[in-house]
Amino acid sequence: EVQVLESGGGLVQPGGSLRLSCAASGFTFGNYAMTWVRQAPGKGLEWVSSISGSGDSTHYADSVKGRFIVSRDSFKSTLFLQMNSLRAEDTALYYCAKYSTIYYNGMDVWGQGTTVTVSS
Amino acid sequence: IQLTQSPSSLSASVGDRVTITCRASQDISTYLAWYQQKPGKAPNLLIYTASTLQSGVPSRFSGSGSGTDFTLTISSLQPEDFATYYCQQLDRYPCTFGQGTKLEIK
Repeated sequence: EVQVLESGGGLVQPGGSLRLSCAASGFTFGNYAMTWVRQAPGKGLEWVSSISGSGDSTHYADSVKGRFIVSRDSFKSTLFLQMNSLRAEDTALYYCAKYSTIYYNGMDVWGQGTTVTVSS
Repeated sequence: IQLTQSPSSLSASVGDRVTITCRASQDISTYLAWYQQKPGKAPNLLIYTASTLQSGVPSRFSGSGSGTDFTLTISSLQPEDFATYYCQQLDRYPCTFGQGTKLEIK
């Protein structure tokens, strides 16, 4: 079964850091671009970051650029999101998702999300 | 690229035909996807490249459009279709989402 499973969320103080992980299984991880999407409580979806299958191309939303770093470990089939200088507005449920065969075909596999709360 | 969905919310009955629109601030060709999200669940891909039905999605869902104007149509609403729907453009980064359309039972 093709699936992704996020972990690493939690409560962190403003200015702190957190590293999210997303374990992938059931597909050849290195063949697919991956992405992080977040959803603040009661709000809509916000794309956060994407990384190519090889890991050599990354993209970020303006709201996280310079603070978040996306990476991947193909040997462990795991996607990461290093979040630094966290702000209250980063509080959200963070989803990991797999792009379809071609990136513009959308995200066809999603995890259940991991919750990040930024509060003092 | 900004995506504007309308309406933001919609009340309808089982069996109704429903159309949700998504307007892009720039030409995105057909690089648009639609997702369904139910409360407490992750989004689910319904349609990609504006009109291609994702495998396993019921045929009552359809999409159309190109350039800046797109529509998602549900031909005959079923009880399980009451959810929030999002469009997403994949033409260029940042690949933005629309603000969502909440479909409620009348």
